[in-house]
Amino acid sequence: QQQVRQSPQSLTVWEGETAILNCSYEDSTFNYFPWYQQFPGEGPALLISIRSVSDKKEDGRFTIFFNKREKKLSLHITDSQPGDSATYFCAASGSTNAYKVIFGKGTHLHVLP
Amino acid sequence: EAAVTQSPRNKVAVTGGKVTLSCNQTNNHNNMYWYRQDTGHGLRLIHYSYGAGSTEKGDIPDGYKASRPSQENFSLILELATPSQTSVYFCASGDAGTQDTQYFGPGTRLLVL
Repeated sequence: QQQVRQSPQSLTVWEGETAILNCSYEDSTFNYFPWYQQFPGEGPALLISIRSVSDKKEDGRFTIFFNKREKKLSLHITDSQPGDSATYFCAASGSTNAYKVIFGKGTHLHVLP
Repeated sequence: EAAVTQSPRNKVAVTGGKVTLSCNQTNNHNNMYWYRQDTGHGLRLIHYSYGAGSTEKGDIPDGYKASRPSQENFSLILELATPSQTSVYFCASGDAGTQDTQYFGPGTRLLVL
């Protein structure tokens, strides 16, 4: 069974701190890793993504670090804001079935003012 | 303007009853997906479709049917609803081709009594 694992399950940081969300996977054929952000009562929305040919992707305060050898990646949110409080899903898909995306169970991020 | 809409947004059903969840997308995407979201499980794929007339089983298809009568519409059908199907259901659409973003609807909260 293909799996994407996320840790921690829940994370609390103070405003201005850097939040680090971790993700790992098992299937070496995975080559695309999107992160989705979900606010309560809404559907998930793409936040940032990375392909396995890169080891870093940056978009404003959000950065993905990718380690292909260890099959691990992390999402860093710098200068965290209360508005960043949400659930973050790491996901993965591969060339064998590009239409099918495997989601992790999510990390609940709480940013305290 | 919302590109993926779902109806109803909330539904209460009785055990053994038939439930139809509807999804409409104006993205002109070929691919559409149905997920359920439960605490501790993240997002799990129920059925997906490559285009009008096609449906494919996802990871947890048992107890569910899907119908894709047109490019825009994708329905999820519970012929004999059970309390274990109480969940939040999300529809998503995505471009054909490799690993494009999935765009999610706002979700349908289903309670089966």
